[in-house]
Amino acid sequence: DQQVKQNSPSLSVQEGRISILNCDYTNSMFDYFLWYKKYPAEGPTFLISISSIKDKNEDGRFTVFLNKSAKHLSLHIVPSQPGDSAVYFCAATLPNSGNTPLVFGKGTRLSVIA
Amino acid sequence: NAGVTQTPKFRVLKTGQSMTLLCAQDMNHEYMYWYRQDPGMGLRLIHYSVGEGTTAKGEVPDGYNVSRLKKQNFLLGLESAAPSQTSVYFCASSRGTLASNQPQHFGDGTRLSIL
Repeated sequence: DQQVKQNSPSLSVQEGRISILNCDYTNSMFDYFLWYKKYPAEGPTFLISISSIKDKNEDGRFTVFLNKSAKHLSLHIVPSQPGDSAVYFCAATLPNSGNTPLVFGKGTRLSVIA
Repeated sequence: NAGVTQTPKFRVLKTGQSMTLLCAQDMNHEYMYWYRQDPGMGLRLIHYSVGEGTTAKGEVPDGYNVSRLKKQNFLLGLESAAPSQTSVYFCASSRGTLASNQPQHFGDGTRLSIL
């Protein structure tokens, strides 16, 4: 039973345009959601997070939107740059779990075309 | 500042052999984790530790053991390797809970092949 789903395995976007990566979840008890970025042969690196009590969090070119009623979150990257090409993982955590465990989606591979 | 360091980076084992993967962090983090990532899958938590001397099971703990004898080190052991354990293993650490905005920091992974 996959609790965090990234239904698009890949996405291609032109440089300068907006990239929108989507994530759906099934467990309404999740209280924090995170996005990680992963380059080949490297570990994931943290991008941005959002608490379930918020609907938007912004950090530079990255914005995460949370729609609790739809159990859906999305990561917007504007403008997209070639260096953003990577695999993006959505993750979620439960309250009182001490930051553990993180439940990860399968990832979406973003390709930004120059 | 090394962050999270995993050794070795690559290893090939024969079925039935044993080995230990080492994770070291220099950020004085309390929490440490071991994940595995298989093709087309997200990261799945194997075991984790919320402090020196403590360990707990994650989503896929079978076939693995862990130890956290020192705060900076988290060891993952395979007592009798099986081909199903062929994977990329990631170690991570964090200072505290997400409520205090403390995300996990990952190492670069260990690619393990079991023949």
